[in-house]
Amino acid sequence: AQSVSQHNHHVILSEAASLELGCNYSYGGTVNLFWYVQYPGQHLQLLLKYFSGDPLVKGIKGFEAEFIKSKFSFNLRKPSVQWSDTAEYFCAVANSGGYQKVTFGTGTKLQVIP
Amino acid sequence: NAGVTQTPKFQVLKTGQSMTLQCAQDMNHNSMYWYRQDPGMGLRLIYYSASEGTTDKGEVPNGYNVSRLNKREFSLRLESAAPSQTSVYFCASSEGAQPQHFGDGTRLSIL
Repeated sequence: AQSVSQHNHHVILSEAASLELGCNYSYGGTVNLFWYVQYPGQHLQLLLKYFSGDPLVKGIKGFEAEFIKSKFSFNLRKPSVQWSDTAEYFCAVANSGGYQKVTFGTGTKLQVIP
Repeated sequence: NAGVTQTPKFQVLKTGQSMTLQCAQDMNHNSMYWYRQDPGMGLRLIYYSASEGTTDKGEVPNGYNVSRLNKREFSLRLESAAPSQTSVYFCASSEGAQPQHFGDGTRLSIL
């Protein structure tokens, strides 16, 4: 069975600091990878996704993630965070064959201090 | 532009009571999903429906039933609520095979 591990449960940064949230997955086959974001009081939104091709994926609001197959990782990055990036971030993995069941990580709460 | 609409937003039940959580999407998506979100557990898939008339179990289906009577609606039923089912429930839909649009959630407390 596939699983996802997010290393940091709570991250606090000052505005303009750089962000990197770790995500590792375990699955023996080909995977599709996702990052979702949940802003306070709102529903989840898809931030970015990787299916194939360029392992560096760019998403909305300046976020990007890099798929490193050898490390089973899909870390989320942003060069300079803003207060509005305060949210909970979920990494997710799905097997790429057939109908996909997406498995979510436990989430990382990001707090950006003005 | 409603997207995915869930009702109710909040509900308190007594152990053993039954209830149905409603979900509707107006994007003509084939796939719909029900997740529960618990602290420290992330989101866990309860059931999903790849198309109208079909449903499949996810990670944690025990104690739940679902119904996909039409393309637009996907309901989740608790036949006999238990305190362990206290959670926030999210419905989602997508064109493809991964959830893309989520509802605002239903906070369910079972006493």
